[in-house]
Amino acid sequence: KAGVTQTPRYLIKTRGQQVTLSCSPISGHRSVSWYQQTPGQGLQFLFEYFSETQRNKGNFPGRFSGRQFSNSRSEMNVSTLELGDSALYLCASSWGTGQDYGYTFGSGTRLTVV
Amino acid sequence: GDSVTQMEGPVTLSEEAFLTINCTYTATGYPSLFWYVQYPGEGLQLLLKATKADDKGSNKGFEATYRKETTSFHLEKGSVQVSDSAVYFCALSDYGSGNTGKLIFGQGTTLQVKP
Repeated sequence: KAGVTQTPRYLIKTRGQQVTLSCSPISGHRSVSWYQQTPGQGLQFLFEYFSETQRNKGNFPGRFSGRQFSNSRSEMNVSTLELGDSALYLCASSWGTGQDYGYTFGSGTRLTVV
Repeated sequence: GDSVTQMEGPVTLSEEAFLTINCTYTATGYPSLFWYVQYPGEGLQLLLKATKADDKGSNKGFEATYRKETTSFHLEKGSVQVSDSAVYFCALSDYGSGNTGKLIFGQGTTLQVKP
C-alpha cells in the first residue's frame, strides 16, 4: 500500500513569490492535514480537509491556503512568500473511526525562501 | 487550550541503556495520545498510540501508558540501540471535541545513542 506522497521534496523560492505544494494521501483516506515544522516554532497545524471541505484551521495568516480535490489529493499554497516561511511542510492522511484513529505523514517538502 | 510538554533534550545514552522521555499533556476533552519519531531528513513515523486511559501502546520495544491521573504518556525502552537515534515527538489529538485532523505536538526530544 503506497504511503503519503508529497511533491516536490525540495523548493527554493524568492521572497514575494508564491508556491504550491502537493500531497497525495493513502488510498481510501479522505482526510488530509498540513503542518509547518520550523526549529523555532516546532510543529504547527495549518489546516485539515475532508471530502473537499476545510474542516479545521490553525492560526496562520491568510497567505496560507489549501484545497482538496475529489480524489482526496490536496494542495497548499503560500502567497507573497516571506523569509520566515522557510520550513519543512508535512502533510498527513488520517484513518480510523470513532476513538481509534491515526495519522500517517509524508516525507515533507523542504521550502527555502531566499 | 490543549498542550503537550516534553522533557528537554538532547538525551545522550550508551547503547543498551534504559530510555525514558517524559511527556505530559493538558486537554479539555478525552484525547488520543501518540509518539512519533523523526529521522534526519524524513517525515514523522508513528511509533505508538493510546486512545483511552490506562491503554498501553507498544512497538519495536518502545512502550508508553496513558495515565489520566497524572496526565502523562512517558515513552520507555529497556535497551536502546544506535539506530534509535532520532527526534521523538509526543502528540495529542482531541478528535471528539471537533478538532478534526489536528495533532498538537510537544517540542521534540533529540535522542543520541552512542556505541
